[in-house]
Amino acid sequence: DAGVTQSPTHLIKTRGQQVTLRCSPKSGHDTVSWYQQALGQGPQFIFQYYEEEERQRGNFPDRFSGHQFPNYSSELNVNALLLGDSALYLCASSLVALASTGELFFGEGSRLTVL
Amino acid sequence: AQSVTQPDIHITVSEGASLELRCNYSYGATPYLFWYVQSPGQGLQLLLKYFSGDTLVQGIKGFEAEFKRSQSSFNLRKPSVHWSDAAEYFCAVGPRLGSGGYQKVTFGTGTKLQVIP
Repeated sequence: DAGVTQSPTHLIKTRGQQVTLRCSPKSGHDTVSWYQQALGQGPQFIFQYYEEEERQRGNFPDRFSGHQFPNYSSELNVNALLLGDSALYLCASSLVALASTGELFFGEGSRLTVL
Repeated sequence: AQSVTQPDIHITVSEGASLELRCNYSYGATPYLFWYVQSPGQGLQLLLKYFSGDTLVQGIKGFEAEFKRSQSSFNLRKPSVHWSDAAEYFCAVGPRLGSGGYQKVTFGTGTKLQVIP
């Protein structure tokens, strides 16, 4: 049973560039959440996708956008990169169902460095 | 708004000693509560979770946590720490499903555990 997979694992960009991160959820899961974890901090909620729509959003600017595909995989896009966007980006999948406990399963993350 | 406070940024314990990591949450009702562990450069792994019922929950790797509604706390404990437990630990809170169906899980800032021989 494949867990949550993310790509790429590491990448380096320069200020002003754009980046796309990808995530495949755990088999059977239908919801993807994205988190940003800055060095020494806890994960901060960016947004959540279910049924190909953004369902909830944290306190992040519009430069952060996403997409969910029919196979439940997801992308996180960040435009006009700033130095402060350097972080570990975590994807987590879960299952939206009344019987679900809603626990999150995390990938290993994509480490983004902005120079 | 939901929030989580982990008052201890860094804790050092000797191998074999007991451990307690503190967590306090703020939420309008009884939430779902979680503890996750993160090794350096890795993603987060679920240690245990509380949804309802017995307020003392058991998790993996010998960890347990106790939910205390009156104190809005969900402290993590382990009777005897092993060197391999050195990692960062995150407490998290999420709404009960059925309240919109979508889960925004909020994490604390984490407690880094160092284990000395």
